Amino acid sequence: DIQMTQSPASLSASLGETVTIECRASEDIYSNLAWYQQKPGNSPQLLIYDANSLADGVPSRFSGSGSGTQYSLKINSLQSEDVASYFCQQYNNYPPTFGAGTKLELK
Amino acid sequence: EVLLQQSGAELVRPGSSVKISCKASGYTFTDYYMHWVKQRPEQGLVWIGRINPANGNTVYAEKFKSKATLTADKSSNTAYMQLSSLTSEDTATYFCTLGAGRYFDYWGQGVMVTVSS
Repeated sequence: DIQMTQSPASLSASLGETVTIECRASEDIYSNLAWYQQKPGNSPQLLIYDANSLADGVPSRFSGSGSGTQYSLKINSLQSEDVASYFCQQYNNYPPTFGAGTKLELK
Repeated sequence: EVLLQQSGAELVRPGSSVKISCKASGYTFTDYYMHWVKQRPEQGLVWIGRINPANGNTVYAEKFKSKATLTADKSSNTAYMQLSSLTSEDTATYFCTLGAGRYFDYWGQGVMVTVSS
């Protein structure tokens, strides 16, 4: 199985700040990567697919980038509603595998 | 609008089985695979397997081959997952999810399964 290593595990940032979350795959996943946001008590919601495509209805302050084994999610101008956990997921190979998550809190 | 409505929370005994459901609406049920994902409290997401509702074909993650059984009922647009020989390690929230690609656009609200005597 492809291992997804996500960092940092937790992150504290101020409103308006820019935040970056990283995800590294154990082998090349050819941009077959998605990012999800999960708020407490809710199910995950798709933010980004194909490494850099914004899902429908997702604010443009979210963006994804990367290739090969290294990917990142950037949140510009952090808002209070962005407090959540974020997960990456590769879908290049079966089984799909997820990163362990990044918990984002407000400073 | 695509909706995945899951059954309610379950409290079950160790060693028993449980069957949870996921009723789909807003799209043609047989057009997309239904996937299931496990999330233990304060932990990450683990893919369990998927079913093709059109023909019942299933694929499971290795560690769930003896634990989970996926089925689908085309007449009621409902997918099911049965978990057997339950232990405390199975205490988790289980999500059904689907997508047009191999990522997951739509998620059920999750079913919390608690295994306790």
